[in-house]
Amino acid sequence: KAGVTQTPRYLIKTRGQQVTLSCSPISGHRSVSWYQQTPGQGLQFLFEYFSETQRNKGNFPGRFSGRQFSNSRSEMNVSTLELGDSALYLCASSIQGMGADTQYFGPGTRLTVL
Amino acid sequence: AQSVAQPEDQVNVAEGNPLTVKCTYSVSGNPYLFWYVQYPNRGLQFLLKYITGDNLVKGSYGFEAEFNKSQTSFHLKKPSALVSDSALYFCAVRDPGSSYKLIFGSGTRLLVRP
Repeated sequence: KAGVTQTPRYLIKTRGQQVTLSCSPISGHRSVSWYQQTPGQGLQFLFEYFSETQRNKGNFPGRFSGRQFSNSRSEMNVSTLELGDSALYLCASSIQGMGADTQYFGPGTRLTVL
Repeated sequence: AQSVAQPEDQVNVAEGNPLTVKCTYSVSGNPYLFWYVQYPNRGLQFLLKYITGDNLVKGSYGFEAEFNKSQTSFHLKKPSALVSDSALYFCAVRDPGSSYKLIFGSGTRLLVRP
């Protein structure tokens, strides 16, 4: 099976702009989670979607949003970008997203905000 | 609240020697525990997980982890380290009762010297 894919791999934006990141999960996986990774804060949970519904949300401002489509593909959007949004954004998919279910990660999107 | 601690920022070991990367957790009930590895500019790769049963879990690339309920620990081990094992290692926990997300530790950088 193909793994989790994320596009684009790299992005450079300026403050105030908005950005949309895309994630395609492993075939058959219905849960998609998003994480932000920075050197200072480590891996932080953004949100999780299952069957087009957001089930859980991390402690991020409303500028961070996401959605999931009927084919389980997911997008996340960051509006009004700030310098501190520079990070590696990781998407992970799993079958059901709970219990002992393993999350499989994509390669990430490296976002740089200038 | 769930939490995971990786007390060592970096672990140094000589090639051929055994390695241990430490992880302790705090969660109500019986947790699901995971180890992931991250190579530079890559996403996280799943190594192994503990669900229940045998306290010694075997995973990918010769890694294993020992679950100790009384010490609330889940240390990652390998009998003989390789230079190619040098990477960033993350421990994660999911509360089986109440969460769709993984809580990650801060990560431990493993450096295996030739």
